[in-house]
Amino acid sequence: GQQVMQIPQYQHVQEGEDFTTYCNSSTTLSNIQWYKQRPGGHPVFLIQLVKSGEVKKQKRLTFQFGEAKKNSSLHITATQTTDVGTYFCAGPVSYDKVIFGPGTSLSVIP
Amino acid sequence: ETGVTQTPRHLVMGMTNKKSLKCEQHLGHNAMYWYKQSAKKPLELMFVYNFKEQTENNSVPSRFSPECPNSSHLFLHLHTLQPEDSALYLCASSQGAEQYFGPGTRLTVT
Repeated sequence: GQQVMQIPQYQHVQEGEDFTTYCNSSTTLSNIQWYKQRPGGHPVFLIQLVKSGEVKKQKRLTFQFGEAKKNSSLHITATQTTDVGTYFCAGPVSYDKVIFGPGTSLSVIP
Repeated sequence: ETGVTQTPRHLVMGMTNKKSLKCEQHLGHNAMYWYKQSAKKPLELMFVYNFKEQTENNSVPSRFSPECPNSSHLFLHLHTLQPEDSALYLCASSQGAEQYFGPGTRLTVT
């Protein structure tokens, strides 16, 4: 069946360093979504990418959708302690269902 | 965020108990979901309801029984659970793309 993988599983960075997480799907995706879950919280939708090669920015966060629409990345510039959490990518498997990646857990050392 | 609410937030139950989790969404969405999130495991989709009809049962044991009386309410009835069922149970709703999650019910089975 369809699989969505993410690397790395964990990342520890010094505050101010950059961070990148990568998402790979076993199949071509019509879109890719990114979510953030703070410790003790629930996943919160960040963004959706639809077009091949699309790049979107939200302040220090840059999201990219691969040309083949099978991979995506999230890059955070100059991490802050507020960036701590687990970042999930998700891709649709049907009109009402998405499959989530295992997530990348980010720790930021002040 | 109050778009999706879940009660109770915490639940401790014995293996012989029967309890129910409740989810309510105030977003006018047509689809509702139950997910299980265990420590160090990906989000596991359990059930999907679209316009009150179940469209997905992801091989969930029968000790978990969902109920969707209308598009705004979703229940998860629990009986004779096992300790390995201890997890965070997240409800979500959607109208197409992104999923809106509730705060979750932290379930502990003793």
